[in-house]
Amino acid sequence: LAKTTQPISMDSYEGQEVNITCSHNNIATNDYITWYQQFPSQGPRFIIQGYKTKVTNEVASLFIPADRKSSTLSLPRVSLSDTAVYYCLVGSSGGYNKLIFGAGTRLAVHP
Amino acid sequence: DVKVTQSSRYLVKRTGEKVFLECVQDMDHENMFWYRQDPGLGLRLIYFSYDVKMKEKGDIPEGYSVSREKKERFSLILESASTNQTSMYLCASRGTGRTNEKLFFGSGTQLSVL
Repeated sequence: LAKTTQPISMDSYEGQEVNITCSHNNIATNDYITWYQQFPSQGPRFIIQGYKTKVTNEVASLFIPADRKSSTLSLPRVSLSDTAVYYCLVGSSGGYNKLIFGAGTRLAVHP
Repeated sequence: DVKVTQSSRYLVKRTGEKVFLECVQDMDHENMFWYRQDPGLGLRLIYFSYDVKMKEKGDIPEGYSVSREKKERFSLILESASTNQTSMYLCASRGTGRTNEKLFFGSGTQLSVL
């Protein structure tokens, strides 16, 4: 099972780009990388998912190098509402799949 | 949109009580999960189920059991609640397909054991 490591916390200011990196050195061939966002008193919600190279959607980009041992979530021009905890999760789509979260990165966006 | 519903938002129980936390999903997902979340510790997996009547232990199963009699429902049971089980409990579900499926979470149950 791929274990993930992320920075515990980050600070940024409104309008800046934020990059959060996750390390997953023992990622398996079948594993995807998924990022979730969690606000206080809510369950996490899906942000973006990728397997390799770059993925972009309306809220974020995900960069995955060729060796796939790390990934970087990029949030363009953050606002105060992006203050949340961000989790990186590595796992495959198999039915027998124990999905383990890391401790997450607490992002604080300041005015 | 997928809906994952947890039966209670807040729950207060006494030490030694048997506690049932219920979770229902409406997307015919095969996989369901129970996590607990404590400040500074992230989400820790208690149990998961990949099919009806099938269950597997997560990282912290001690003091808990689960039941999955129907595909849409996954119950977490605290046989004898203790104060160290005071926590936020989150249920999630996920489908199984050729492409990876994302997790859908409920809103959580904040359990206090007194």
